[in-house]
Amino acid sequence: AQKVTQAQTEISVVEKEDVTLDCVYETRDTTYYLFWYKQPPSGELVFLIRRNSFDEQNEISGRYSWNFQKSTSSFNFTITASQVVDSAVYFCALSGTTSGTYKYIFGTGTRLKVLA
Amino acid sequence: DTAVSQTPKYLVTQMGNDKSIKCEQNLGHDTMYWYKQDSKKFLKIMFSYNNKELIINETVPNRFSPKSPDKAHLNLHINSLELGDSAVYFCASSQDKYTEAFFGQGTRLTVV
Repeated sequence: AQKVTQAQTEISVVEKEDVTLDCVYETRDTTYYLFWYKQPPSGELVFLIRRNSFDEQNEISGRYSWNFQKSTSSFNFTITASQVVDSAVYFCALSGTTSGTYKYIFGTGTRLKVLA
Repeated sequence: DTAVSQTPKYLVTQMGNDKSIKCEQNLGHDTMYWYKQDSKKFLKIMFSYNNKELIINETVPNRFSPKSPDKAHLNLHINSLELGDSAVYFCASSQDKYTEAFFGQGTRLTVV
């Protein structure tokens, strides 16, 4: 079975603070893909990043960075110097290549509130 | 130019009615999906299609019937609407099963 756990339901930070959103996944596939999506208050789902299971290199994109660790089955997302515009629900998702193919399994999301 | 577009954006209807949601993607993708997002924001796969062929039907009541007339379109028809069908329905597409999905703006369905 495939599963994504985002244990943090809601996080509140003050602007300019750094914040890390946790994501833990379960899969029996040896090849799989992990994703992060942002859902701002307007409701659309915005793709942020994809990572495949063979690439454990961390990635940085501006104020965003991702830490993928297969040993702990985690794919955490850090926002540095948070801004009010970062307020959104963030989803981690998993797609497998055998048992969980042709679908994205989403976590329950973490609501991030950045206060001015 | 919107990559994945779905219509309508809002749909309010009475119990027992039949309604359809349309989805089109102009990305040239082979795979399309329908997801349901409930009031707690939980996103659940309903259907996925690859090259117009149904791949996944995730234990969705047969009142829901997807139709893919071509690779660029995946419509969702719902018969005999129930209160519990109220949710936001998202259409999405991806190049294949290995790549990221791009989502439409969602259709907020309210059944009264």
